[in-house]
Amino acid sequence: DTAVSQTPKYLVTQMGNDKSIKCEQNLGHDTMYWYKQDSKKFLKIMFSYNNKELIINETVPNRFSPKSPDKAHLNLHINSLELGDSAVYFCASSQVGRGSATDTQYFGPGTRLTVL
Amino acid sequence: AQKVTQAQTEISVVEKEDVTLDCVYETRDTTYYLFWYKQPPSGELVFLIRRNSFDEQNEISGRYSWNFQKSTSSFNFTITASQVVDSAVYFCALRGSNDYKLSFGAGTTVTVRA
Repeated sequence: DTAVSQTPKYLVTQMGNDKSIKCEQNLGHDTMYWYKQDSKKFLKIMFSYNNKELIINETVPNRFSPKSPDKAHLNLHINSLELGDSAVYFCASSQVGRGSATDTQYFGPGTRLTVL
Repeated sequence: AQKVTQAQTEISVVEKEDVTLDCVYETRDTTYYLFWYKQPPSGELVFLIRRNSFDEQNEISGRYSWNFQKSTSSFNFTITASQVVDSAVYFCALRGSNDYKLSFGAGTTVTVRA
């Protein structure tokens, strides 16, 4: 059984388009995250939701909008895609967000976004 | 702010050699959590080990072991008797007690040659 899944795995699109990446976790976790991995493999947090409530919103262009319909899903919508948005986007989840020994984050397989 | 430094960019070893990956962290939190993740060529991020700042002992899990030294703010990771399948990028990460997010190091690429 897949714990954290993302779709699609690969996404190739033109500049200016709008696209979405979906994430689902079947671990029963309360907290979900989006991370971006750039071309140098550096990983950085973008957003986090705890029980459908936004708790982290790092310095990310407002073209990026996360949506959490329920605590098992966290989708990422990107408007007006730019070349610099090309990266690998990882979804993750954890049982509890912070202050807990059970807060290990488990990651999805990643979505490689290429903007042409 | 949390900071993680992995000074080794790349390590290349021959199969069956031991590999030690260095990780140095900075935090003002008195309670924090340290992690190692593996990213194989297939691209996924796999959780390997976790250490709480208040844990007393270092541990071994199969071929993996880690050495947590609070005095030097280091959390080194060792793969014993490396195998070709260990070839991957390894990330050290830190989370403070009041943080939700993980702060990652830049990663160390390990290549194990047959």
